[in-house]
Amino acid sequence: EAGVAQSPRYKIIEKRQSVAFWCNPISGHATLYWYQQILGQGPKLLIQFQNNGVVDDSQLPKDRFSAERLKGVDSTLKIQPAKLEDSAVYLCASSPQTGREKSNEQFFGPGTRLTVL
Amino acid sequence: GENVEQHPSTLSVQEGDSAVIKCTYSDSASNYFPWYKQELGKGPQLIIDIRSNVGEKKDQRIAVTLNKTAKHFSLHITETQPEDSAVYFCAASRYNQGGKLIFGQGTELSVKP
Repeated sequence: EAGVAQSPRYKIIEKRQSVAFWCNPISGHATLYWYQQILGQGPKLLIQFQNNGVVDDSQLPKDRFSAERLKGVDSTLKIQPAKLEDSAVYLCASSPQTGREKSNEQFFGPGTRLTVL
Repeated sequence: GENVEQHPSTLSVQEGDSAVIKCTYSDSASNYFPWYKQELGKGPQLIIDIRSNVGEKKDQRIAVTLNKTAKHFSLHITETQPEDSAVYFCAASRYNQGGKLIFGQGTELSVKP
């Protein structure tokens, strides 16, 4: 079974530029998460999708970050414009479904390391 | 707000020794507690998890214990090997609220041969 795919793996941009990240979850997984992991810290949830609907985006800085999950499969996360403090690894994770005991088993992709200069 | 505290931040052991990492959570409604291993340049990988109706769970050299009254859970690795070297994260969540994970700050484990 293929894992969670993310691209690009690395991205370097200047502040105030825009950037987009792509995630392809494990086939059949209804729930998709985007996490931000700042160096030396644990991942922090940015947004959670159930199929193509948003479940939780309370931690997403909506003035600059946006995310969508078209057709309930792939997802993109965009930052516009980027700030220096956005430098981090952006992790995508997926899990089979919500509301049931097995649902919290989250499978992570390799992440995209973003450097904002 | 919800918070998970993890200690120690770094841990160095000799090969063959045991390693223990401890976490405390603030949300008393949390009922799912996974542990993740993250190697350099990779995403976190689930190594073991425990649910609130269980006090202890073991998988070969890895075990996790949960004390719901104290809101405390721990990871135990026995007979450590150099390939156990990585950053370990604990997390807590309520699986009836969509599975949002609250992570600890991480423990960098170094196993010296």
